[in-house]
Amino acid sequence: SQQGEEDPQALSIQEGENATMNCSYKTSINNLQWYRQNSGRGLVHLILIRSNEREKHSGRLRVTLDTSKKSSSLLITASRAADTASYFCATAPGSGNTGKLIFGQGTTLQVKP
Amino acid sequence: GAGVSQTPSNKVTEKGKYVELRCDPISGHTALYWYRQSLGQGPEFLIYFQGTGAADDSGLPNDRFFAVRPEGSVSTLKIQRTERGDSAVYLCASSPLVAGTDEQFFGPGTRLTVL
Repeated sequence: SQQGEEDPQALSIQEGENATMNCSYKTSINNLQWYRQNSGRGLVHLILIRSNEREKHSGRLRVTLDTSKKSSSLLITASRAADTASYFCATAPGSGNTGKLIFGQGTTLQVKP
Repeated sequence: GAGVSQTPSNKVTEKGKYVELRCDPISGHTALYWYRQSLGQGPEFLIYFQGTGAADDSGLPNDRFFAVRPEGSVSTLKIQRTERGDSAVYLCASSPLVAGTDEQFFGPGTRLTVL
């Protein structure tokens, strides 16, 4: 079963614009991670935010976490055509943590040049 | 350095056949994970190894699925009596530490097609 719900399911923007993706989850978490996937194959880790953090930055990426609302957002600023991909949030369950990640269904981002 | 590798990259088989999918994790990574991803969906957890032992196999869909990691490095996912519903991309990931506190490094996946 998948824990995360992501919205929008698909997003199309022009190069240079910002892209915001949202993720909601159901149970308590240890941390939340965002991954990118190109061409339906391997995933690449983007950023991790722990349950006691509220905001984190990495280059053009900004992630927020609201544990009271069980939600997170990923902001990509000044988007580029190369950012075109699917983006997934993944949560590490907070109890009996075994290291598994529970992924959302993903947001497909298209950045038009 | 070398990342996670998976072989084969594609596997086509007939319903009822047995298949093995191999994963070579990043050297030194103690944790290894298998996920399955259907078209248009996020990856779905199958099993997690800490060293040689399966620490959590709660995601295996039924007893046709089995995975091993006998020497704590390479892992093999085995599927018996394959069904058309088993068609998916099977992803392997590894990480250096335990308990989901670190990022996972994913391989390119094996695309399994059951005819």
